[in-house]
Amino acid sequence: AQKITQTQPGMFVQEKEAVTLDCTYDTSDPSYGLFWYKQPSSGEMIFLIYQGSYDQQNATEGRYSLNFQKARKSANLVISASQLGDSAMYFCAMREESNYQLIWGAGTKLIIKP
Amino acid sequence: DSGVTQTPKHLITATGQRVTLRCSPRSGDLSVYWYQQSLDQGLQFLIQYYNGEERAKGNILERFSAQQFPDLHSELNLSSLELGDSALYFCASSVGGRGKSPLHFGNGTRLTVT
Repeated sequence: AQKITQTQPGMFVQEKEAVTLDCTYDTSDPSYGLFWYKQPSSGEMIFLIYQGSYDQQNATEGRYSLNFQKARKSANLVISASQLGDSAMYFCAMREESNYQLIWGAGTKLIIKP
Repeated sequence: DSGVTQTPKHLITATGQRVTLRCSPRSGDLSVYWYQQSLDQGLQFLIQYYNGEERAKGNILERFSAQQFPDLHSELNLSSLELGDSALYFCASSVGGRGKSPLHFGNGTRLTVT
């Protein structure tokens, strides 16, 4: 069965440090996509980054990168040089090629300390 | 700006009433999704449409219904409202109905039932 696990309910990180948010997944479909979303306290859901299961390289988008370890079924989000504005909930999600539904993790609440 | 438009932004209504939430997807996106997010909770998938047809159904109550119109905008109807229906309701859209296309979210409609 499809499943997404985010083991860190909350994290405190010092401003300007790098932070890694963990995400592990479970699927039997060889073709799937992994997504990360950010939800600040204002409520909107912001798409950050995408990684395809067949992508050879780890995805990067500005300060966001995805540490994709396919054999371990992990897709950790790395935020470099964290900023106060990075404080938010972060959700990992997955969708199989054959499936309509996006499966969501429970989220990690990240707080950046000045 | 994700390109997904949701109206209204806020809605306050009484128990037993009926409301309609509206969503215009991003230009070119054929699939529309509805999600419910209660306070400090994750996203609960309600329903998905692709090019006017229902494609997937989640935990949508019988009191709730939705449709996607020929111009691809969508409406979510909530009736016989209860206090527990108070939540943030998101609409999202994607190019494809499944697989690897990311979902782009609107800013949500915050529904308060009093």
